[in-house]
Amino acid sequence: TQLLEQSPQFLSIQEGENLTVYCNSSSVFSSLQWYRQEPGEGPVLLVTVVTGGEVKKLKRLTFQFGDARKDSSLHITAAQPGDTGLYLCAGIRSGTYKYIFGTGTRLKVLA
Amino acid sequence: GAGVSQSPSNKVTEKGKDVELRCDPISGHTALYWYRQSLGQGLEFLIYFQGNSAPDKSGLPSDRFSAERTGGSVSTLTIQRTQQEDSAVYLCASSFLAGGPSSYNEQFFGPGTRLTVL
Repeated sequence: TQLLEQSPQFLSIQEGENLTVYCNSSSVFSSLQWYRQEPGEGPVLLVTVVTGGEVKKLKRLTFQFGDARKDSSLHITAAQPGDTGLYLCAGIRSGTYKYIFGTGTRLKVLA
Repeated sequence: GAGVSQSPSNKVTEKGKDVELRCDPISGHTALYWYRQSLGQGLEFLIYFQGNSAPDKSGLPSDRFSAERTGGSVSTLTIQRTQQEDSAVYLCASSFLAGGPSSYNEQFFGPGTRLTVL
C-alpha cells in the first residue's frame, strides 16, 4: 500500500519555466520532508514542514504543508538545469519513527 | 570521510546465494535506517535501529531478510537465498535520533549498494 502519491511522475521542462510537484495522502502526518536525489547518490534533505498550512521558502523553491497535514507541494520558480533530479516526499505519522516515502517525481530541466 | 558509507557499491550475485550489505553510519548517530529503492522510484522502508535494537522490522519483505547492528555503529543487512526480485538499490541512512521533525532527526543517506541478482 503506497500511502504517499506524488504527481506528476515525470516532468521535462525548459529552463526558466515554473513547476509544481504534489505529494498526496489520505493519512495525516506529523511532519513531512522533501528530498532531492541525483543518480548514484542517496537522497538529500531539502526541507521539513511540521505545521498545517506552513510555507517554507528555500531560494527558488517553495514548500507548503496542507492545512490537514495530508498533503504537500513543492513549487520551483524559474527552473534551472541544476534542479534536475528525483524529488521525493517523505512523511512520519504520529507515534511512529518510520519514514514513508512518496513514489517520486523525476524532473529534467533542459537548457 | 564524515558521511555515511556503504559497501560494496555494486554486488552481482546468482539466484540462491546469500549476500551481506554493510553500512557505516556517521559517528555518534544512534539511529540507522535501511531502505530499498527500485528503478529510481520511491524508497521502501525495511528496518530501523535505535542503538543496537530494532524497534520496527515491519518493512522486511520476508524471513530471507535480516539485519543487525553492533556496537551502536556498523549495520549489516543480510539477504539469504537471493531472488531476482531482490534486485534493487539498498540505501542506508543515519540520524542523531530516530524519527520526528527536529534537526536531531535529519537523515543522512549513504550512496547505496546496487544489488543485481542473476
